[in-house]
Amino acid sequence: EAGVAQSPRYKIIEKRQSVAFWCNPISGHATLYWYQQILGQGPKLLIQFQNNGVVDDSQLPKDRFSAERLKGVDSTLKIQPAKLEDSAVYLCASSAGDTSFYNEQFFGPGTRLTVL
Amino acid sequence: AQSVAQPEDQVNVAEGNPLTVKCTYSVSGNPYLFWYVQYPNRGLQFLLKYITGDNLVKGSYGFEAEFNKSQTSFHLKKPSALVSDSALYFCAVRSGNTGKLIFGQGTTLQVKP
Repeated sequence: EAGVAQSPRYKIIEKRQSVAFWCNPISGHATLYWYQQILGQGPKLLIQFQNNGVVDDSQLPKDRFSAERLKGVDSTLKIQPAKLEDSAVYLCASSAGDTSFYNEQFFGPGTRLTVL
Repeated sequence: AQSVAQPEDQVNVAEGNPLTVKCTYSVSGNPYLFWYVQYPNRGLQFLLKYITGDNLVKGSYGFEAEFNKSQTSFHLKKPSALVSDSALYFCAVRSGNTGKLIFGQGTTLQVKP
């Protein structure tokens, strides 16, 4: 079974520029998550989709971050404009079924963003 | 609010010795607990989970975890450490109605030959 795919793996941008990340979840997984992992910290959920609907975006900085999941499969996360504090690894994860408490999440390799 | 604490930034152990990585949690309601491992430049990999039932949970790569409700702990253990177990380990708890994961800050495990 193919895992969660993410691209690009690395990105370096100047502050105030925009950037987009792409995620392709495991086939058939209805729930998709975007996490931000700052160096030395655990991942923090930014947004959670159930199919193509948003379930939780309470920690998404909506003035600069946006995400979509068209057709309930692939997802993109965008930052515009980027700030220095956005430097982090952005992880995409997916899980089967609904937002069940029992299902483990499967993570992609992440995109390491550096904002200069 | 749900939270997870991993009190040790780093754990050092000699190969062949038993290892323990500590985790304590704070939740309202029943706890749903997970352990993940992260190798350099790779995403998190699921190790094991506690949902209900037996307090000793067995997972991947010979790891197990002991759920202790009275001490609100979920420590990760392995009877005999391998050098290849060296990695960053995260404890997490499921939170709220949406099931999002709240992660601890991580513990680096260093296994020396």
